[in-house]
Amino acid sequence: SQTIHQWPATLVQPVGSPLSLECTVEGTSNPNLYWYRQAAGRGLQLLFYSVGIGQISSEVPQNLSASRPQDRQFILSSKKLLLSDSGFYLCAWSHGAGEQYFGPGTRLTVT
Amino acid sequence: GESVGLHLPTLSVQEGDNSIINCAYSNSASDYFIWYKQESGKGPQFIIDIRSNMDKRQGQRVTVLLNKTVKHLSLQIAATQPGDSAVYFCAENRPGGYQKVTFGTGTKLQVIP
Repeated sequence: SQTIHQWPATLVQPVGSPLSLECTVEGTSNPNLYWYRQAAGRGLQLLFYSVGIGQISSEVPQNLSASRPQDRQFILSSKKLLLSDSGFYLCAWSHGAGEQYFGPGTRLTVT
Repeated sequence: GESVGLHLPTLSVQEGDNSIINCAYSNSASDYFIWYKQESGKGPQFIIDIRSNMDKRQGQRVTVLLNKTVKHLSLQIAATQPGDSAVYFCAENRPGGYQKVTFGTGTKLQVIP
């Protein structure tokens, strides 16, 4: 069966520090991969999606970036965090035009 | 722009009653719709989906209805239980190239014991 992992589960970082969140998928190949951000009590905002290694599409301008160094690895990064980067970050995968499967999420607090 | 939205941000339902969560979408080209359930502190989980060539689909205690004429989607939960308390998102899938799903803002369902 397929599983999706995210780490860390929680993270507290000072403003201006770098960020690296990792997501890995097991049990499937060539998945579409997604990064979402969810503010408290709000909906999901799509940040990035990827249909293959090295292929990243950005949905919104921001100081975050994403990379896909391997087929089942998706990384979300920032060189300098802002207070507004705080939120719940969710990674998801899908196969083509089907439902998405979400990871457990990372709660990021920028202080 | 095109968007998916929900009519009610919070819905309180007595345990054992049926729940109906509504969703409006504006992109008439959307051909696939999904309902997700998100419990506090967790990622969303798939509940049920429906394609645009259908108007009704049933699962275990859940039914999704699609009215393409008025671009309306609903999720019905029968005999609501405390474990159903969560935020429910509808999402639409727009065709063409890469799969991109637009999520609504969500409805919080509170089940009163």
